Amino acid sequence: EVELLESGGGLVQPGGSLKLSCAASEFIFSNYAMSWVRQAPGKGLEWVSSFSGSGADTYYADFVKGRFTISRDNSKNTLYLQMNSLRAEDTAVYYCAKDVFTHNSGSFDYWGQGTLVTVSS
Amino acid sequence: SSELTQDPAVSVALGQTVRISCQGDSLRDYYPSWFQQKPGQAPILVIYGKNNRPSGIPDRFSGSISGNIASLTITGAQAEDEADYYCNSRDSSDNHVVFGGGTKLTVL
Repeated sequence: EVELLESGGGLVQPGGSLKLSCAASEFIFSNYAMSWVRQAPGKGLEWVSSFSGSGADTYYADFVKGRFTISRDNSKNTLYLQMNSLRAEDTAVYYCAKDVFTHNSGSFDYWGQGTLVTVSS
Repeated sequence: SSELTQDPAVSVALGQTVRISCQGDSLRDYYPSWFQQKPGQAPILVIYGKNNRPSGIPDRFSGSISGNIASLTITGAQAEDEADYYCNSRDSSDNHVVFGGGTKLTVL
């Protein structure tokens, strides 16, 4: 069974940094696009960033561009999200999600359980 | 970036059919995906592409599209279908992904 396990969330002060990890198992990680999606408390889903399964194409929502960096290590079957210059409005549960396809389609067929990031002083 | 618009809330009587809509310009170029999310749980993909159901999704869930309006139809809604439903699609201009605001489905 496909499994995605996020880690790295926690409490951080405004302006601080965190690095999220997503360990994947039971599928050929390098073949699929992977994404981060977040959900603020009581709010809807919000796409954050994606990394294609082929080549090195990365995509970012406008509100995180320049602050967040997505990366992947196919040898470790792990997706990362480096988050810098964090703001209160970045407070959310961050989900790692697997795409059905190699390219970034938005069809996320497997999701992790999420990791909570709280930005507060 | 494009936007996807969903009705905030919809209700359906047990066993009846309900249609949840999603409207946006990106839907003229890309099929949407539909996700079900129950409180405290991660989302689940229920429909993607033209009308594809992942393994394990009941066949009472189906998808359709006309112009820039996509619909998720639940034929014979069950109590366990009560959840929030989100649509998304690729953005036509920049390869981003956009989500709709979500629809809270109540099964009466």
